[in-house]
Amino acid sequence: NAGVTQTPKFRILKIGQSMTLQCTQDMNHNYMYWYRQDPGMGLKLIYYSVGAGITDKGEVPNGYNVSRSTTEDFPLRLELAAPSQTSVYFCASSNLGNSPLHFGNGTRLTVT
Amino acid sequence: AQSVTQLDSHVSVSEGTPVLLRCNYSSSYSPSLFWYVQHPNKGLQLLLKYTSAATLVKGINGFEAEFKKSETSFHLTKPSAHMSDAAEYFCVVSDSNDYKLSFGAGTTVTVRA
Repeated sequence: NAGVTQTPKFRILKIGQSMTLQCTQDMNHNYMYWYRQDPGMGLKLIYYSVGAGITDKGEVPNGYNVSRSTTEDFPLRLELAAPSQTSVYFCASSNLGNSPLHFGNGTRLTVT
Repeated sequence: AQSVTQLDSHVSVSEGTPVLLRCNYSSSYSPSLFWYVQHPNKGLQLLLKYTSAATLVKGINGFEAEFKKSETSFHLTKPSAHMSDAAEYFCVVSDSNDYKLSFGAGTTVTVRA
């Protein structure tokens, strides 16, 4: 059982480059989330989705975009990478709104 | 809107001694509360959750937490620490009418042999 799968595990970007962080889940969960984790700051919500075709902004959406064309996939797009986006990114999913989250193993992104 | 404060950024204990991680929360509605653990270079794993049933919640790996509404606290404890408990722990709150969770800043646990 794969759960939540994130790719890539690591990536180094130059300032101004773009990339897509992939996230897929095989649990048929409706709710999916993208978080970023910075040292000593906990996790901050970037974007979330409550079902295919529906997305909404979280606490820190600037510089990011998402789409949810299928229940399984929830990619996160960085259009113009900036050093402030250096972080560890986690994708998560849940069955119901208040259910526990299932996390991927994260993507460590460095922007230089 | 909800928020959570973890009162200790770092806790160091000896193996075999009790562990206490403190968490206070604020919530406008009946909250759901969670504790997650994160081992190095891994995603977060659920330890336990409180969703308005019993106030003493038992989780995995011998951890438990007590919900105290009067003190707005949800402290995590374990009677006897093991080396494998060394990790970062997050307290998380969600309002009953909101599916966006708020994370604490985390508590790093070190276990001394």
